[in-house]
Amino acid sequence: QITLKESGPALVKPTQTLTLTCTFSGFTLIPSGVAVGWFRQPPGKALEWLALIYWDDNVRYSPSLKTRITIAKDTSKNQVVLTMTHMDPVDTGTYYCAHRTVYKSSFDYWGQGTLVTVSS
Amino acid sequence: SYELTQPPSVSVAPGQTATITCGGNNIGSLSVHWYQQKPGQAPVLVVCDDSDRPSGIPERFSGSNSGNTATLTISRVEAGDEADYYCQVWDSSSYVFGPGTKVTVL
Repeated sequence: QITLKESGPALVKPTQTLTLTCTFSGFTLIPSGVAVGWFRQPPGKALEWLALIYWDDNVRYSPSLKTRITIAKDTSKNQVVLTMTHMDPVDTGTYYCAHRTVYKSSFDYWGQGTLVTVSS
Repeated sequence: SYELTQPPSVSVAPGQTATITCGGNNIGSLSVHWYQQKPGQAPVLVVCDDSDRPSGIPERFSGSNSGNTATLTISRVEAGDEADYYCQVWDSSSYVFGPGTKVTVL
C-alpha cells in the first residue's frame, strides 16, 4: 500500500525559506520510472505543480518557480524534500506530495497535504 | 505556457449525467488525467490517459479526448460525486492543471 505524508512548518515569515519533507512508504525511489512530485493549492484556488524528482535524480521544475525551489531525495529514508526560498504571503496554501504513476504523467497517490501560512 | 480551460461549475440532478470539459490547444495530442477533490481532502485520480480508470474508480466515471477538448463524464450521478474536478496534462515541460470545475448535485 502506497502512502505519502507531508511535514514541515505551518507558519513561515516573509522572506524565509520553506523546507517540506515528504515521507513515503509502499514504494522506493530506486526502480526506473518512479517519481515523486510536489504541488500546492492556495485557499479556494486550483492545483499547481511545483517540482518532480525521478528515480535517477533527474529533476523538473515549474518554469515560474524554478529560481526559488529545489527538490531532492533521500532514498535511504524514503523521503523527498522541497525547499522554497523568499517566501511571500501569496505562497500561502496547502502543499502536497504525490507518487507519479510509473512511466505515465498522472499522479495516482497523494499525501494528505500540509497547510503553510506565510505571515509576519 | 500551455493553458487549460474548464467551466467554473456544473450542476446536475441525482441519477443524471454530468459532463465536464477541459479545453486546450490540440489537447487531443496529449494524455489527459482527471482528479476529484472534495473539500479538505487531497485530489484523487479518477481517469488517466484520457479514458482509463484506476483501480477502485466506479465505471460511472469515463473520459474522452479529441481535437481541442477533453471530457469527463459522470453517469448516474450520486450525492457523493459533489466535488471539484481538475484536468491535468504534461505539455513536455510542465505538469499543467485546469482551473477546476465545481460539480454540484442538486
